[in-house]
Amino acid sequence: QVQLQESGPGLVKPSETLSLTCTVSGGSVIANYWSWIRQPPGKGLEWIGYISYSGHTNYNPSLQSRVTISIDTSKNHLSLKLNSVTAADTATYYCARVGVRIAVFGVVIPSWFDPWGQGTLVAVSS
Amino acid sequence: DIQMTQSPSSLSASVGDRVTITCQASQDINKYLNWYQQKPGKAPKLLISDASNLETGVPSRFSGSGSGTDFSFTISSLQPEDIATYYCQQYDNLPVAFGGGTRVEIK
Repeated sequence: QVQLQESGPGLVKPSETLSLTCTVSGGSVIANYWSWIRQPPGKGLEWIGYISYSGHTNYNPSLQSRVTISIDTSKNHLSLKLNSVTAADTATYYCARVGVRIAVFGVVIPSWFDPWGQGTLVAVSS
Repeated sequence: DIQMTQSPSSLSASVGDRVTITCQASQDINKYLNWYQQKPGKAPKLLISDASNLETGVPSRFSGSGSGTDFSFTISSLQPEDIATYYCQQYDNLPVAFGGGTRVEIK
């Protein structure tokens, strides 16, 4: 079955760029949509954005100006970049496979998230 | 944006008790609602989709109901392995959003 594994630095300095990779095994990134979701310590879940196998993206407006999600079909992985980070970006970052529903006007909405990677904690601190 | 309000934020119940969590959307979301279970230190797991559809392999003691703005999630007989935080998630509109979570503990 599909398994996901996040990787990247566990510590990022304020104002720098957070970069993470999610490696997909047991399946192809071409077959699905994918999302990043984050969870600050002791808090709830925040959807960051999604990417399709063709590279179509949609981001949470709360992060849209700072986030980029990309996909590398040759390496079977997706990536997350979040720039100009602050302490508020300290969180466990998860990648997940996404189901989608097509809403009015053809808007693609991520429906379910399953499975998830184990998550990677990123702290923003000098 | 659609806001999801879960209640209670935490609860303590005995093994075998019936436990119910509610989730209220700030506007009509039809049946576009999922429930997830997150055990301590682990990633969330999808339990229920489309408000009431139990995912494959999920024990039948878990159930969901509701539509529109008001939803509920029930554990019919609480088991020790159900200790976790439970989240609802709407996918009626972008951005998709999660409720604040309900922490379930054993009394």
